[in-house]
Amino acid sequence: DGGITQSPKYLFRKEGQNVTLSCEQNLNHDAMYWYRQDPGQGLRLIYYSQIVNDFQKGDIAEGYSVSREKKESFPLTVTSAQKNPTAFYLCASSGGRLQPQHFGDGTRLSIL
Amino acid sequence: GEDVEQSLFLSVREGDSSVINCTYTDSSSTYLYWYKQEPGAGLQLLTYIFSNMDMKQDQRLTVLLNKKDKHLSLRIADTQTGDSAIYFCAERESRYGNKLVFGAGTILRVKS
Repeated sequence: DGGITQSPKYLFRKEGQNVTLSCEQNLNHDAMYWYRQDPGQGLRLIYYSQIVNDFQKGDIAEGYSVSREKKESFPLTVTSAQKNPTAFYLCASSGGRLQPQHFGDGTRLSIL
Repeated sequence: GEDVEQSLFLSVREGDSSVINCTYTDSSSTYLYWYKQEPGAGLQLLTYIFSNMDMKQDQRLTVLLNKKDKHLSLRIADTQTGDSAIYFCAERESRYGNKLVFGAGTILRVKS
């Protein structure tokens, strides 16, 4: 089945630790996105990539980093500089500028 | 900047119609979307409407767009308990490719 796979489903971070969230898609989509969701709020864009080897900051990029070495993969690293990382993280992809975004099932990140 | 607003909560009885409302600010938005999120899951694309349309119907779902008032609504006919979820309205930001701006979500509770 074609889709977007996020892993792990749950992740725990210790103080001062970097953690990486995986996002893989087999939809052959060019564009990929990372969002953060906090309770009672809409989704906020962290980073996005419209093509391999290129990515742009979204509205809340501080404390996060990404890479886009392959079309199907867009991992997100939550660095120790992100002081409030506890949230639900959603990855999305779209097939083109006029195509809607489709989402993975999310990763819930918590602090130990 | 762009902003999308939704009412926070809606409660209906099973079999009734539900109407979820949304207002947006970007008058040059080209596409507007409705997503559904069930507990602990990612976002599922329900439907979307192009800005030159007034209405779109898809089985039990009807989307109405009033571009003059920048108002979007989602009507769910014959609401079922399985429709209980959070519904997000989103507009595609006109200046930066396929970036989406989300509302905070409307919690729909369906009582049997």
